[in-house]
Amino acid sequence: DAGVIQSPRHEVTEMGQEVTLRCKPISGHDYLFWYRQTMMRGLELLIYFNNNVPIDDSGMPEDRFSAKMPNASFSTLKIQPSEPRDSAVYFCASSLGAKNGYTFGSGTRLTVV
Amino acid sequence: GIQVEQSPPDLILQEGANSTLRCNFSDSVNNLQWFHQNPWGQLINLFYIPSGTKQNGRLSATTVATERYSLLYISSSQTTDSGVYFCAPSGSARQLTFGSGTQLTVLP
Repeated sequence: DAGVIQSPRHEVTEMGQEVTLRCKPISGHDYLFWYRQTMMRGLELLIYFNNNVPIDDSGMPEDRFSAKMPNASFSTLKIQPSEPRDSAVYFCASSLGAKNGYTFGSGTRLTVV
Repeated sequence: GIQVEQSPPDLILQEGANSTLRCNFSDSVNNLQWFHQNPWGQLINLFYIPSGTKQNGRLSATTVATERYSLLYISSSQTTDSGVYFCAPSGSARQLTFGSGTQLTVLP
């Protein structure tokens, strides 16, 4: 298995631009999570899906953030418009069931200038 | 939500030494995982351990759910063990909450 695949690995964009981060979970996993990691706030959950349905998006910082999971093998996290404070590493993780280990992707390092 | 406290925040060891990392949590849990974030930023799942004891090579973990803590043991540490170790429990909510981590440095 190729694991959880995220793209791009690095993204540098200008303030105000739209950014789209992509995630392919492990085949067969029914939970997908988006986390953000910063020095100040550590690892924090943004949103998670179960069977492609968003279950809890209370961690999404504001309306500029949106996430979709159109099918079991693909999810996107979009920021529009981006701001410098959005700079962070964004991780996607998947799991089989809620009571099993998570597998994380390699992350996308986003820099907004 | 559940509160997570990890100790120590920083730990420096000589290669070959043993160590114990602690995680205290504020509520009953139905899921608890330990992760290692290596110096390249990758998050690797070490254990899924909501209760009991597990071992994997030089690493082992114990969770005493009734007393709300978990321990990660690293024996005969190697330089490749360096990085940040995170404890992440979940309570009634499904999602994991991450502690602030223990930064481990193993010196050759």
